This record gives sequence, C-alpha cells and structure tokens, in this order.
Amino acid sequence: DIVMTQTPLSLSVTPGQPASISCKSSQSLLYSDAKTYLYWYLQKPGQAPKLLIYEASSRFSGVPNRFGGSGSGTDFTLKIGRVEAEDAGVYYCMQSVERPYTFGQGTRLEVK
Amino acid sequence: EVRLEESGGGLIGPGRSLRLSCRTSGFAFGESALTWFRQAPGQGLQWVGFIGSKTFGGTIEYAASVRGRFTLSRNDSGSVAYLQMSSLKTEDTAVYFCSRGYRGGRASPDYWGQGALVTVSS
Repeated sequence: DIVMTQTPLSLSVTPGQPASISCKSSQSLLYSDAKTYLYWYLQKPGQAPKLLIYEASSRFSGVPNRFGGSGSGTDFTLKIGRVEAEDAGVYYCMQSVERPYTFGQGTRLEVK
Repeated sequence: EVRLEESGGGLIGPGRSLRLSCRTSGFAFGESALTWFRQAPGQGLQWVGFIGSKTFGGTIEYAASVRGRFTLSRNDSGSVAYLQMSSLKTEDTAVYFCSRGYRGGRASPDYWGQGALVTVSS
C-alpha cells in the first residue's frame, strides 16, 4: 500500500495569516493518463470530509480561492492564503492512484 | 444537488451481521462508482471498499481487513448501494461513509454521505 505522510500534525494559525501542510507519498501519484491522483479534504467535527483540492492542484466546486494545492510526483502542499475561522478542522491528503486509497494521518488546524 | 445518505448503523454484538445502505440522488448513479470508508473513534480515515459502475465493468474490491466478511452491492434502479457486514469484530466499530466517484478521475471520491455509526460491542 502507498504510505502518505503529512506534516505537521497540528497547526495553530492567527486569522489572516497563511498556513501550509505538506503531504509526501511513498511512490509517485502520477498515473498513465498524465493526471496526478492526490486529493485534499477538510473534516470538521461530526461531519464527513469535504473535498477541497482534486488531482493535486484543482479547486473543487465552491472552494474559496484562498485554498491552493501544488506539487507533483511524491511531494505535495496545501496552502491557505489567509486563514479564516471557518477553516478550522482536520485536513487529510489522500491518494487514489491505486487501491486501497490511503490517507495521511491528518493535520489539525486550530484558528487562534 | 448530489446527495448521499447512509443508514442502518447501530449497536451490534460481535460475530453478528449488519447491512448499511447508501441512498443517493442528484447524479447518474448507474454510471458512478462508489467507495466506502470508515473512521474509528478519534482516528483517521480508512478505505473499506470500492464498487464500480456496471457500465464500466462493475469491479468490486475490498480492504484486506474486511475481505471475506464484508460484501458490497448496488441497486442501480433504486440508486442505492449496500455494505453487508458479517462476522463483525469490535475493531469494526467506526463511522462508515459512502462516497461518489467522479468520472474522469479514476472514480476518486468527491461527495460523501454524513456517515453511519456502527458500534460492535457485547
């Protein structure tokens, strides 16, 4: 199985400041169709994960443009341009280049 | 609007069986793959299994931890997917989520249901 490693595991950010989360995979997430199957989700307490970024760098419908994904191969980053209170929760990266899909451990973002 | 809703969770004894349903609306169910995940209390997310669209071959795959005990199925006419869980163990205690796989993205999950809690305990 592909191992996904997120850092940091927790983050405390003041509103208006940027935030960045790293995700590394144990093998390349580039598929033969030239797409990179890396996803970012945000899960708030008691809720299902919600998709933020798909295929490494595309924002999902309705996601604010302060969220941005980048990276290729095995190294990826989620950046939040200016954190807002509503961004608090646990962020997960996930790969779907092969099954079983696997997740990073999650990064808990606290908005101070 | 894409919607998925799980039901059928509850408290069940070890060794017993339980079936979860995932009722959907707002998208072409028959052309869509579905993936099930679970999340044990206070833990991260775990892939449980995948059921592809019959239109594209109907592949079914399971995580090693549930293979042989869990069965995925779907009723395309009713836009419902099922997760039949047998020989349940205490370590199967978790919130179970179903999700839709979007086309063009190797059926990677975009929309998720709100989850159903399954507690396996004597």
